[in-house]
Amino acid sequence: QSVLTQPPSVSGAPGQRVTISCTGSTSNIGAGYDVHWYQKLPGTAPRLLIYGNRNRPSGVPDRFSGSKSGTSASLAITGLQAEDEADYYCQSNDSNLSGSGVFGGGTKLTVL
Amino acid sequence: QVQLVQSGAEVKKPGASVKVSCKASGYIFVNYGITWVRQAPGQGLEWMGWISGYSGNTNYGQKFQGRVTMTTDTSTSTAYMELRSLRSDDTAVYYCARDYCTSTNCYEDYWGQGTLVTVSS
Repeated sequence: QSVLTQPPSVSGAPGQRVTISCTGSTSNIGAGYDVHWYQKLPGTAPRLLIYGNRNRPSGVPDRFSGSKSGTSASLAITGLQAEDEADYYCQSNDSNLSGSGVFGGGTKLTVL
Repeated sequence: QVQLVQSGAEVKKPGASVKVSCKASGYIFVNYGITWVRQAPGQGLEWMGWISGYSGNTNYGQKFQGRVTMTTDTSTSTAYMELRSLRSDDTAVYYCARDYCTSTNCYEDYWGQGTLVTVSS
């Protein structure tokens, strides 16, 4: 059981908008730790999508956006494309674990 | 450009140890930490721990404390992760990643290609 809770799966048609939630608690997201998001394709290393709750590294399309409120965070993807089909993970830190990093369980995005 | 190149796949028997290396290039090694993350087959990402490239200080995930040791060799810009007393559920792809820290948090911005460790009798 992951410290951060994500829906196991989401889906959307090409061109649509989807959101992926990441629910934590007062010892992680709610404690003020930033949330980061990674995209994981089979057989490849994770790719940083969003850092510091809402910032995009260079090279990441502006179709990807992040937000955080209270003990939760969200990743939004607009203008869905077939290439967006992947697993998505949120990450933060947890004060109950001596500041160790924690991942959400991951969300499989299917582009219909 | 920043690169992290990991050692090759390993096959180990239960109870053995494995040591995975992660050679960094394209940046000043001692200015960043290295985080280790693993992914078992069909499972999600799991945070294993972190080591400072400057001081060698470590922060291990509770699940791995007592069984993992992370070290660095600054002369070769290489990080190592040793996992002992291997079990079948340690079969996974192990990743190293550069830890980029701001004033408020750290995140992993560059990743190694991954090392498959298979534990089987």
